[in-house]
Amino acid sequence: EADIYQTPRYLVIGTGKKITLECSQTMGHDKMYWYQQDPGMELHLIHYSYGVNSTEKGDLSSESTVSRIRTEHFPLTLESARPSHTSQYLCASSEARTTDEQYFGPGTRLTVT
Amino acid sequence: QKEVEQDPGPLSVPEGAIVSLNCTYSNSAFQYFMWYRQYSRKGPELLMYTYSSGNKEDGRFTAQVDKSSKYISLFIRDSQPSDSATYLCAMSAPPGNTGKLIFGQGTTLQVKP
Repeated sequence: EADIYQTPRYLVIGTGKKITLECSQTMGHDKMYWYQQDPGMELHLIHYSYGVNSTEKGDLSSESTVSRIRTEHFPLTLESARPSHTSQYLCASSEARTTDEQYFGPGTRLTVT
Repeated sequence: QKEVEQDPGPLSVPEGAIVSLNCTYSNSAFQYFMWYRQYSRKGPELLMYTYSSGNKEDGRFTAQVDKSSKYISLFIRDSQPSDSATYLCAMSAPPGNTGKLIFGQGTTLQVKP
């Protein structure tokens, strides 16, 4: 079983608030990812990191930012939440040699009112 | 046009039935093909991983890739109620194309006892 954790699992927050979604993994994986998933829709990559101090934007434009100061930690921050940010956010990680076998966390379901 | 197309279902079958889940894709550079299973309110988990064309079997699950037709399938034999979940196909190109995963939108399967 993959050891990747996300907190909080559920978050309801008002418009304009700053939020940070936490993601941690204990597998020592170099590569980490953030996906956005809406009901009935495919997962969209919004950020990824191939190691400490390395972050890149994914295919889906996002107003969020990420940081990778430690291998095991990859938090995602929204400076000013809006209702359009309401979604499921999934964090994943993989070993350095492959990007394909990705291990996912349980997700954070965010609702912005 | 989406790079990966997957029938969203839902698909409802009786226990013991053979299930066929399918995806088509347009990018001929894809070489790595995966199936993820996602239970409600959980993150996706890797179920099957196949490189290039051919078949791969793991217990009741068989993954099939036909690169000439740009078509992949997942077969579930003797389906069980515990197989009820959303199944996501995913694929990627070699590392030269960053190796990022492209997901289908998922097929929701319900296996009735």
